[in-house]
Amino acid sequence: GENVEQHPSTLSVQEGDSAVIKCTYSDSASNYFPWYKQELGKRPQLIIDIRSNVGEKKDQRIAVTLNKTAKHFSLHITETQPEDSAVYFCAAKRGSQGNLIFGKGTKLSVKP
Amino acid sequence: DSGVTQTPKHLITATGQRVTLRCSPRSGDLSVYWYQQSLDQGLQFLIQYYNGEERAKGNILERFSAQQFPDLHSELNLSSLELGDSALYFCASSVGPTPGNYEQYFGPGTRLTVT
Repeated sequence: GENVEQHPSTLSVQEGDSAVIKCTYSDSASNYFPWYKQELGKRPQLIIDIRSNVGEKKDQRIAVTLNKTAKHFSLHITETQPEDSAVYFCAAKRGSQGNLIFGKGTKLSVKP
Repeated sequence: DSGVTQTPKHLITATGQRVTLRCSPRSGDLSVYWYQQSLDQGLQFLIQYYNGEERAKGNILERFSAQQFPDLHSELNLSSLELGDSALYFCASSVGPTPGNYEQYFGPGTRLTVT
């Protein structure tokens, strides 16, 4: 079945720096890749997603890139701010009809 | 606030017991998903219902069961509880049946502690 690996598990950056989180997936039929942000004690919230027919998507300071050949996708956050501190989860949809398989999360700390 | 509600917020119970977690989806959403979040396993998909019918099953144990009622709220039943079942249980809802075609909105979660 689908397996999603996420790295790093923790990431600490200085405010204003960029942060990059990477995920790899195993099922070549996966076609949808969302990213969720979960602040401490709160619910996961979708921040950006990408489909397999697109290589890159950007939304203000957040971007996601997808390399279908290598089966990996990455989240890029530029000009990080303390409020970006949270756990970020990547996910892949298994096949065309399957459900989301999540990575184990990256705890991002942005130091002011 | 996502519009998805879950009760109770916290639940403490003993091993061997049975509990029921409740989820009310956003108005208009027909799909309900249940997830288990634990420290070592991350966020794991358990089961999905769409308009009252089971749609997909993930890593759900036989001791766990769920249903979706005609008013679209859903309940997750956990029985013969073990220490390892302690986790945060989220439900999420979406308009349609296919993940990825419609955004999933998560509820605030129920924290289950088994002692």
